Amino acid sequence: GQQVMQIPQYQHVQEGEDFTTYCNSSTTLSNIQWYKQRPGGHPVFLIQLVKSGEVKKQKRLTFQFGEAKKNSSLHITATQTTDVGTYFCAAISYNTDKLIFGTGTRLQVFP
Amino acid sequence: EAQVTQNPRYLITVTGKKLTVTCSQNMNHEYMSWYRQDPGLGLRQIYYSMNVEVTDKGDVPEGYKVSRKEKRNFPLILESPSPNQTSLYFCASSPSRGGNTIYFGEGSWLTVV
Repeated sequence: GQQVMQIPQYQHVQEGEDFTTYCNSSTTLSNIQWYKQRPGGHPVFLIQLVKSGEVKKQKRLTFQFGEAKKNSSLHITATQTTDVGTYFCAAISYNTDKLIFGTGTRLQVFP
Repeated sequence: EAQVTQNPRYLITVTGKKLTVTCSQNMNHEYMSWYRQDPGLGLRQIYYSMNVEVTDKGDVPEGYKVSRKEKRNFPLILESPSPNQTSLYFCASSPSRGGNTIYFGEGSWLTVV
């Protein structure tokens, strides 16, 4: 079945450093979404990528969808303490319309 | 305000005592689902519903039941809870299945002792 792997599982950074989380699928994806969950909170939608090679930016966050539509990344430039949380990718393959969540990357930012 | 509301937010119960976690959304969404979140396992889907009276199993349905008698409500039922169902549960809704933003409730912490 479809699998969505997300790495790393944890990342600790100093405030101001960059951060990247990667999402990889075993099958070709129709689209991919990213969510952020603050500590003690619930997942909140950040963005959706649909096109091969697509790049979208939200302030310090850059989202990429791979050319083969099998992987994606979220990059945060110059992290801040407000970036703390768990980042999930959620992918839909062409084979099904089922949304599969990655295992998440927990980001800790030290001031 | 668009929201997904689930109750209770926190519950400690004993093994075997039936419980229901309610979920309600005010966005007229057709698609609703339940997830459980466990450390290192991410979000796993328990059950989902494409519309009223239409429900189907997700990835981890064992030990759970759901119903969808009205569009806005999608309760999760644990007929005989066991300790391995101790988890954080999220109800979610979206306009339809696939390719739409998912709106999550605030979560229900359930502990079964």
